[in-house]
Amino acid sequence: DIQMTQSPSSLSASVGERVTITCRASQNIDNYVNWYQQKPGKAPKILIYSTSSLQSGVPSRFSGSGSGTDFTLTISSLQPEDFASYYCQHRGTFGQGTKLEIK
Amino acid sequence: EVQLVESGGTLVQPGGSLRLSCAASGFTFSRYWLSWVRQAPGKGLEWVAQINQDGGEKYYVDSVKGRFTVSRDDAKNSLYLQLDSLRVGDTAVYYCAREGRGMTALDYWGQGTLVTVSS
Repeated sequence: DIQMTQSPSSLSASVGERVTITCRASQNIDNYVNWYQQKPGKAPKILIYSTSSLQSGVPSRFSGSGSGTDFTLTISSLQPEDFASYYCQHRGTFGQGTKLEIK
Repeated sequence: EVQLVESGGTLVQPGGSLRLSCAASGFTFSRYWLSWVRQAPGKGLEWVAQINQDGGEKYYVDSVKGRFTVSRDDAKNSLYLQLDSLRVGDTAVYYCAREGRGMTALDYWGQGTLVTVSS
């Protein structure tokens, strides 16, 4: 089974800062990585699919990149509403999650 | 507007059974793969089960194989998850989600229903 190792598990950052979250697959998975945002008490929301495609309605400050085994989610300029947890996913496997907190 | 609404979560004893339902609206239900994803309190997301458009393909995470059964009723626009032989470790919020066409991502999610397994 493919494992998705996400890092960091938590991150403190300031409004306006650029942040990057990484997900590493245990084997080559081409470009089938998706990224979700989840706020406390809410369902996850898709941000990025197929590594780099921005879901309709998602702000352009979110972007995804990578291939093979290494993938990243980047938020170019953090906004107050971006403080949440983030998960990568490949098919039936989610990463462990990254909790993004305000510094 | 696409909507997914789960129901059926409750408190159940270890070894018990439960059926979760997910009522869908706002899209052509029969055209989509659907999944169940769960989240234990304070933990991350775990994909549980998936079913294809005609119900002929079903997939499960290893920890629930032989205990959980996913099914769908296209006439009722509904997805189900039968949970048998429940364990304390199955305690979680259970979400139903739609897999977007042309993508492997889950593009719409319900609000979740809480299953608590405890004596």
